[in-house]
Amino acid sequence: ETGVTQSPTHLIKTRGQQVTLRCSSQSGHNTVSWYQQALGQGPQFIFQYYREEENGRGNFPPRFSGLQFPNYSSELNVNALELDDSALYLCASRTGGQGGELFFGEGSRLTVL
Amino acid sequence: AQSVSQHNHHVILSEAASLELGCNYSYGGTVNLFWYVQYPGQHLQLLLKYFSGDPLVKGIKGFEAEFIKSKFSFNLRKPSVQWSDTAEYFCAVTRASGSARQLTFGSGTQLTVLP
Repeated sequence: ETGVTQSPTHLIKTRGQQVTLRCSSQSGHNTVSWYQQALGQGPQFIFQYYREEENGRGNFPPRFSGLQFPNYSSELNVNALELDDSALYLCASRTGGQGGELFFGEGSRLTVL
Repeated sequence: AQSVSQHNHHVILSEAASLELGCNYSYGGTVNLFWYVQYPGQHLQLLLKYFSGDPLVKGIKGFEAEFIKSKFSFNLRKPSVQWSDTAEYFCAVTRASGSARQLTFGSGTQLTVLP
């Protein structure tokens, strides 16, 4: 149990739709990051939020966007879904310090048909 | 940009066998290195990490890893595996400085331990 909870755990969408995934960080963690894990691959960094501002982004298009709220919970939004967006989306939180360990949630499995 | 290469996609061992999983990274600067494990149906969890100091680091569950800077490697080892070690293992790297500290993961190694 990492204290990081994600919802929903599974969902199915069709191409062109929009999706919102949610993450509740571990208490006291002010930094949250999102990763995409395609089948058979390692997680790929999407972006990171620190105190409600995006402070790092991976190689993902603008239709991937996010929010972090004052209570440090977070959302990942994906617009205009494509088939290749099918993946496990992982949320991870940590404290802002250099040695802060990342704690991962169990992920949201998105299937795009 | 940094990248991570894990050489073995699937490793099958018998219980009590020794384990070594390879990991090489590419990045010219100072890095922090990690090994994560993902048991079936569970979240990613940290096995061990290297930031600085002794290049031989010990983690949970009897795992250890050695950072060899000249080889850009961070191989994971365990002297004697158990059936419960069956899982997927990911090597990851991040730059040692900068605010984002994004993790770059390898593609993973699936370890199957036969009883």
